Parts: sequence; C-alpha cells; structure tokens
Amino acid sequence: EPEVTQTPSHQVTQMGQEVILRCVPISNHLYFYWYRQILGQKVEFLVSFYNNEISEKSEIFDDQFSVERPDGSNFTLKIRSTKLEDSAMYFCASSEMGGLGNTGELFFGEGSRLTVL
Amino acid sequence: AQKVTQAQTEISVVEKEDVTLDCVYETRDTTYYLFWYKQPPSGELVFLIRRNSFDEQNEISGRYSWNFQKSTSSFNFTITASQVVDSAVYFCALSDNYGQNFVFGPGTRLSVLP
Repeated sequence: EPEVTQTPSHQVTQMGQEVILRCVPISNHLYFYWYRQILGQKVEFLVSFYNNEISEKSEIFDDQFSVERPDGSNFTLKIRSTKLEDSAMYFCASSEMGGLGNTGELFFGEGSRLTVL
Repeated sequence: AQKVTQAQTEISVVEKEDVTLDCVYETRDTTYYLFWYKQPPSGELVFLIRRNSFDEQNEISGRYSWNFQKSTSSFNFTITASQVVDSAVYFCALSDNYGQNFVFGPGTRLSVLP
C-alpha cells in the first residue's frame, strides 16, 4: 500500500539552528501539507502546497518556515532558526486531488519529532 | 471560520463496553468533509473515515460506526465492544471542498481498561 514517508523520525537540535524535515508524498498525489502537533495538544495546520506554490498557510507558518519541492518527489519543511517552542511532532500529508469529487483523504506520514534544546 | 469541538477530553471504559466519541463542527461551507483519525501511543495518525456533507447515511465498519447529523452539526463515532487496542487519541476533523483548510478538533483520549 502506498504511504507517505518522513525523515528523520526524530531530530534534536540547538535553538537557533536550521532544520529541514523531509517528506516523500504518495507518487500520484498533487496536494501536500504540513501539520504540527505540540506534545499532548491538537494537530495544527501549517501549510498546504499545490502546483509548486503555497496555497494556504496558517498564522503559525511565519517567516521562519518555508516549504519546497526541490526534485518532484521530496517535499521539505525548513525552519530557519529554531526556537524552543518549535519542539513538536511534524506531520506531512498528501492527497490525490482537490475540488469536487476529490477523495478528500489525507494520507499522513508517521511524523518527525523535533526537539529544540 | 471552521471549527471542530470534541467536548470529551478523556474517556475511560472497561473492555467490551460501547463508547461514543462526540464531535460537533462549525462551517459556513455548504460542501465540506468530515473525518476521524486515530492516534495510537506510537504517535502516527491513522485515517478512519471520511464523510462528505451530502451523504448523511450512517456508516458501520466492523466495531466502528459513525452517526452524521447535519441538523445538529455532529459527527459522532461509536466503538462497539471496545478493546484495549482501541486506546488512543481520536481526532475529528473538518475540511473544505478542496480538501484543504483541514481543521482538527482537540482530540479525545480513550483509555480502554482490561
């Protein structure tokens, strides 16, 4: 069964360092997403990406964050200068298509746990 | 703005009991999608069901069933004859017609005791 894969599964970094979280979405999917879940809290939307550009982003997704699809398969989330409060589980997700008749199902990766010290 | 409320923060039941997890949503869209996801202790998010706003038929899948009531903006989830492996956090979610703008509820932590 196709799946979304994320690397690394866990990253520990020092405050102020740059972090890149990587995701390989399901191959025929066109919509890509990042979500964040601070420990014990709810899953929060960060950003959605379609046709090589950001289609939606939340207030959390400030200038410290960026996303790109560098090579047609990977979908990355970069945090430029990490803060303590960026410690969370980051989930990548993909879906087949949007619009009327879409499957609507988001397939999630297993998450990347980021710990900022 | 879209919003999902899961009023039950934590529920504990004894194995084999039935349990219902409540979900109430708010949206101005006429076309939208509702979802339930399970997050076991290992942390991943597992898709359980998707329902679009035009389909109010209730659904049963094994021990799981879902009751969609548009009139009360609710999409409740019932586990029949619960098992210890059902212990997890369950999230209800809402998206717009384009499969974007996903909003998750705060989650309900279900503990099934042996």
